Amino acid sequence: DTEVTQTPKHLVMGMTNKKSLKCEQHMGHRAMYWYKQKAKKPPELMFVYSYEKLSINESVPSRFSPECPNSSLLNLHLHALQPEDSALYLCASSRASGRTDTQYFGPGTRLTVL
Amino acid sequence: DQQVKQNSPSLSVQEGRISILNCDYTNSMFDYFLWYKKYPAEGPTFLISISSIKDKNEDGRFTVFLNKSAKHLSLHIVPSQPGDSAVYFCAASALGGTSYGKLTFGQGTILTVHP
Repeated sequence: DTEVTQTPKHLVMGMTNKKSLKCEQHMGHRAMYWYKQKAKKPPELMFVYSYEKLSINESVPSRFSPECPNSSLLNLHLHALQPEDSALYLCASSRASGRTDTQYFGPGTRLTVL
Repeated sequence: DQQVKQNSPSLSVQEGRISILNCDYTNSMFDYFLWYKKYPAEGPTFLISISSIKDKNEDGRFTVFLNKSAKHLSLHIVPSQPGDSAVYFCAASALGGTSYGKLTFGQGTILTVHP
């Protein structure tokens, strides 16, 4: 089973709202990732968690705040977003965070910021 | 600076024929490469990978070829099926440093397989 689940599937929020995206995997993976994908562009890495610790932050604005409560869960807290933050947000997980550990992706959350 | 490039935005192939998707990279530190397939409104699905110590890896209908000297890899799908119609992304990861866990993706190629 290589399933990564994400909720919600779609999210519409105003610029003053606070919302959270959730990601879950039950494959025993110890690395989890957040990516952002704009239309007709490739996914761009935002954050990497390895063994529940943040190991990579790709200079993401502080209005995006990741959290890894345990090895199966990954959240992305959103606050004071801008319309240009509208995108597909993808979660992925892998056995570990080494370069040869295949990343498995969830279906994504389609975020629209009004 | 685009370190992974898929120069063909789209490819159209007849069912049963071979599909060849190409990918070029510029970063000589990349040593592990993957291909993902993506349907609309879904996340990327892992297809096949190759390490730089190999020049070919095969899995069923999918074969990936790596030419390190040319910094080029290709994905061959034989025979192509209508269900293969999707966007295909090439991705690479680099040896060492702070790049662990970071995949760099190409722009994607839209493959359409006609019945």
